[in-house]
Amino acid sequence: AQTVTQSQPEMSVQEAETVTLSCTYDTSESDYYLFWYKQPPSRQMILVIRQEAYKQQNATENRFSVNFQKAAKSFSLKISDSQLGDAAMYFCAYSNGRGTSGSRLTFGEGTQLTVNP
Amino acid sequence: DVKVTQSSRYLVKRTGEKVFLECVQDMDHENMFWYRQDPGLGLRLIYFSYDVKMKEKGDIPEGYSVSREKKERFSLILESASTNQTSMYLCASSPGDMNEKLFFGSGTQLSVL
Repeated sequence: AQTVTQSQPEMSVQEAETVTLSCTYDTSESDYYLFWYKQPPSRQMILVIRQEAYKQQNATENRFSVNFQKAAKSFSLKISDSQLGDAAMYFCAYSNGRGTSGSRLTFGEGTQLTVNP
Repeated sequence: DVKVTQSSRYLVKRTGEKVFLECVQDMDHENMFWYRQDPGLGLRLIYFSYDVKMKEKGDIPEGYSVSREKKERFSLILESASTNQTSMYLCASSPGDMNEKLFFGSGTQLSVL
């Protein structure tokens, strides 16, 4: 079974600085999808960024980018120019992308990010 | 915007009660999911459904059942609530295409006393 591990339960960053959240996963598949979701205090989960394993290029979305290391099974999220609104719980997630289970995600434990003014 | 609505934000129930958690989505999505969220454990999949009346067990289905009689509605049922089912429950939906993003509801914090 696939597993997703986030080894940093809590992280903090100063406003306008850069922070990197770590995620590792375990799979025997060669093709799969990785995601970062954000859960602010409102509890509404929001997709931050998505990476397809067969793509070499790291995904980026404005201030958010990933460092995808397929051989190391590592998928870290970098937040640049951190803003107070980035404060949230961040979850890394994995999908094998096949069949009716293609949308089924396995989530990590989460990293609580605090942004200090 | 897609809206996924969970019927209650907070719910308090007694041990042994039958509990229904309701979820409705308004975008004609094929897939619907129930996750529970616990501190330090992240989100764990309870059940999911990829079509009306179709369901599959997730990673932690014990003590739960689900119902999907209409495409837009997916119910989670705790037949006899227990204290270890105190948790945050999140409903999500996604289109039929694989690996499209999930759209989440705002969660139901269930306390079983």
